[in-house]
Parts: sequence; C-alpha cells; structure tokens
Amino acid sequence: EIVLTQSPGTLSLSPGERATLSCRASQSVSSSYLVWYQQKPGQAPRLLMYGASSRATGIPDRFSGSGSGTDFTLTISRLEPEDFAVYYCQHYGSSRWTFGQGTKVEIK
Amino acid sequence: QVQLVESGGGVVQPGKSLRLSCAASGFTFSTYGMHWVRQAPGKGLEWVAIIWYDGSIKYYADSVKGRFTISKDNSKNTLYLQMNSLRAEDTAVYYCARDLWQETYKFFDYWGQGTLVTVSS
Repeated sequence: EIVLTQSPGTLSLSPGERATLSCRASQSVSSSYLVWYQQKPGQAPRLLMYGASSRATGIPDRFSGSGSGTDFTLTISRLEPEDFAVYYCQHYGSSRWTFGQGTKVEIK
Repeated sequence: QVQLVESGGGVVQPGKSLRLSCAASGFTFSTYGMHWVRQAPGKGLEWVAIIWYDGSIKYYADSVKGRFTISKDNSKNTLYLQMNSLRAEDTAVYYCARDLWQETYKFFDYWGQGTLVTVSS
C-alpha cells in the first residue's frame, strides 16, 4: 500500500510570499495519478491539479505542480488571501485512492 | 452545472445502520463512476469506496469492507452508501465525489458539500 507523506504539516507565510508544499510517496508512483486538492474550512475539497502538473479548470496560474517518481511539489508563486487553506495530495493505484495527511497554509 | 447533494447523516448508536444518499444533477449520471470520501472531525481525507458508472464494479477501503455497501440508481441519479455495524471511528463528514478518467488521468472533479455522521451512544 502506497503511503503519501506531506510536508510541512503547517506553513506560515504572508500574502505575496511563495509557498512550496511537498508530497512524498512511499514507493514510485505514476505522475498521471498524482492529484492536488484545496480545502477551506467548512467547505468540500476542490480539485487543483491533476497529472501532477496540469491545472484544473479555473485554477489561476500562480499554482503549479511538478515532480515524478516519489517526490511531488505544489507551488503557489504569490499567495493571495484566498489561498490560505489545507492542501491534500492524492494518488490512485491498484483500485485504491490514497490521500496525504494535508498541509495547512496559514497566514503568518 | 454539476451538483452533488448528500443527505441522510445524523446521530446513530454504535452497531446500528445508516444509509447516505447523494443526489446528482447537471451531468449524465449513468456515465460516471462515483466515490464516497470521509473526513473525521479535524482530520484529513479518507477514501471510502467507488462504484463503476454502471454499478458493475465496486471497491472499498479496508476500514469499511464488509460493513459498507456502495450502490447507485441511474434511473434516480442517486448514489448511496449503506453503512452497517457502525463504530465510533466512522464518525465523519461523508462526501460524494465524481470520478473522472480523462486520457491517462484519474481524479475527483466535483464534490458534494458533505453530510455529517456521528456514531455515539
């Protein structure tokens, strides 16, 4: 079973700063099946990135994703007030879907 | 526009049963697989189950296998989750989500707002 480990647990940044979120898989995974979601308090998750680096419809280009193998990164180039939220990575494999434990991006 | 609306949550005693529903609209429900995902209070997301577009294939997380059953009624545009032998650790917000398999990619492209299930005596 693949385990996804996200780091850091919490990222304290100011608006305008760059955020770099990590998602590490316990074994090599297909980047086609690596997905990122954003969740704000009291809301359902929202699709951000799929295929590790493709932005979902309506997602601004300050969000970017990269990585392959076991190491994946979500980057927010310049944080906007609406970007403070929890971010989850997800992987599909062997008819199972696995989420990382999440990274909270909070206002410093 | 795509809408997914869950219902059926509430407070239930350990060992009892509950059935959740997810009403879908704005897309051809019969051509999409659907998932249930849950989130315990203050915790992360946990995938629960998937059902194929035609109901022919179902997969479950180990934590719910043998206790939960996912189903869908394409004539009613509704997804269900029958939860039996409920435990305190099943307490969570339950979300339904649409499965999308696009080219070589797989992801959940739309989510409902969730329904809270509390298992407590």
